[in-house]
Amino acid sequence: GEDVEQSLFLSVREGDSSVINCTYTDSSSTYLYWYKQEPGAGLQLLTYIFSNMDMKQDQRLTVLLNKKDKHLSLRIADTQTGDSAIYFCAESPGGYQKVTFGTGTKLQVIP
Amino acid sequence: EPEVTQTPSHQVTQMGQEVILRCVPISNHLYFYWYRQILGQKVEFLVSFYNNEISEKSEIFDDQFSVERPDGSNFTLKIRSTKLEDSAMYFCASSPTGGEVGYTFGSGTRLTVV
Repeated sequence: GEDVEQSLFLSVREGDSSVINCTYTDSSSTYLYWYKQEPGAGLQLLTYIFSNMDMKQDQRLTVLLNKKDKHLSLRIADTQTGDSAIYFCAESPGGYQKVTFGTGTKLQVIP
Repeated sequence: EPEVTQTPSHQVTQMGQEVILRCVPISNHLYFYWYRQILGQKVEFLVSFYNNEISEKSEIFDDQFSVERPDGSNFTLKIRSTKLEDSAMYFCASSPTGGEVGYTFGSGTRLTVV
């Protein structure tokens, strides 16, 4: 079945770049997402990328997709303390079909 | 910005009792979902709902669970005869187009079964 894996924890200094990595197994994944979860809050969609794209940039966020290796990454430039949260990688074959989430990476930003 | 609203934020129930978790999706959305997250574990898909019927469900979503859209605004998840292992955060989500560009999630209901 589908599986999405992420490292559990990342610590960076304020102002540095953060890179959160993710691997997935489902070759039929059409849509890949990054969600952010702050304490006590729901899952907030940060960005998404279609499988026919290699890169997507959205302000401080850059998503890179290596479809051959089934590897997705999220780079946050100039990381701020407000970026401290859990970041979930997720994939979906598309349509109304279910989204499969990774375990989440807890990002800690040190002032 | 439109929100998905879930109530209550925290529910404590005794094992064996029935609970109903409530959600108000975004008004022009057509696809509705329930996910759950057991503490320290992955966010897991439970069920998707479109056009007043279940469109997909996971193995977790057994006869103990049911969903309903009783009126034009609410979307509920009922858990009959709750078990200790049903303790989790339950997230409702909605989407206008079926999820291609991601869902909007609610803040979740933390269900504690004692």
